[in-house]
Amino acid sequence: DAKTTQPNSMESNEEEPVHLPCNHSTISGTDYIHWYRQLPSQGPEYVIHGLTSNVNNRMASLAIAEDRKSSTLILHRATLRDAAVYYCILRGLTQGGSEKLVFGKGTKLTVNP
Amino acid sequence: DTAVSQTPKYLVTQMGNDKSIKCEQNLGHDTMYWYKQDSKKFLKIMFSYNNKELIINETVPNRFSPKSPDKAHLNLHINSLELGDSAVYFCASSPGWAGSSYEQYFGPGTRLTVT
Repeated sequence: DAKTTQPNSMESNEEEPVHLPCNHSTISGTDYIHWYRQLPSQGPEYVIHGLTSNVNNRMASLAIAEDRKSSTLILHRATLRDAAVYYCILRGLTQGGSEKLVFGKGTKLTVNP
Repeated sequence: DTAVSQTPKYLVTQMGNDKSIKCEQNLGHDTMYWYKQDSKKFLKIMFSYNNKELIINETVPNRFSPKSPDKAHLNLHINSLELGDSAVYFCASSPGWAGSSYEQYFGPGTRLTVT
């Protein structure tokens, strides 16, 4: 099964950019790369997703390696409200045609004022 | 209005009891999920329903049974509760599945404590 690997924790300063890496070396050709974040005592929140091309939205940017074996979530200017656990997730289909959801263990991001 | 709601928010019960957690989404989505998050914060999918049909049934004990009375509801019933069932349970919904690019919307979670 495809798996994702993320660093356990990262630290950043407020107003600085943050690059959160994720390795998914066994990704299949149809798997989408999703990122979610979870603030303390809340449910996970969608951040961004992509397939092959880099993606931008109001929350973040997603840079996907050309071979798709890794990706990086980019927060352009970290704020204290961005302190959360960030999950890198693969969504796709199994060979049997059912949905496949593979979660990483998440990266806990600390933002220093 | 809350998009995905769960009740109760907290549930404390004794071993051996049977309990249910309810989930409702008002987004008109076709797919709903149940996740379990343990004390180490690992998030694992348990079940997924698409248009009231089960499409994922991960390796969970058969004491756990999802029930979907309609597309907007996916309830989780747990029989013979055990200490190891203590966790936070999240419900989520999505406009689609099947390897889709759709995002999921999560509920606030239900913290289950079994004593």
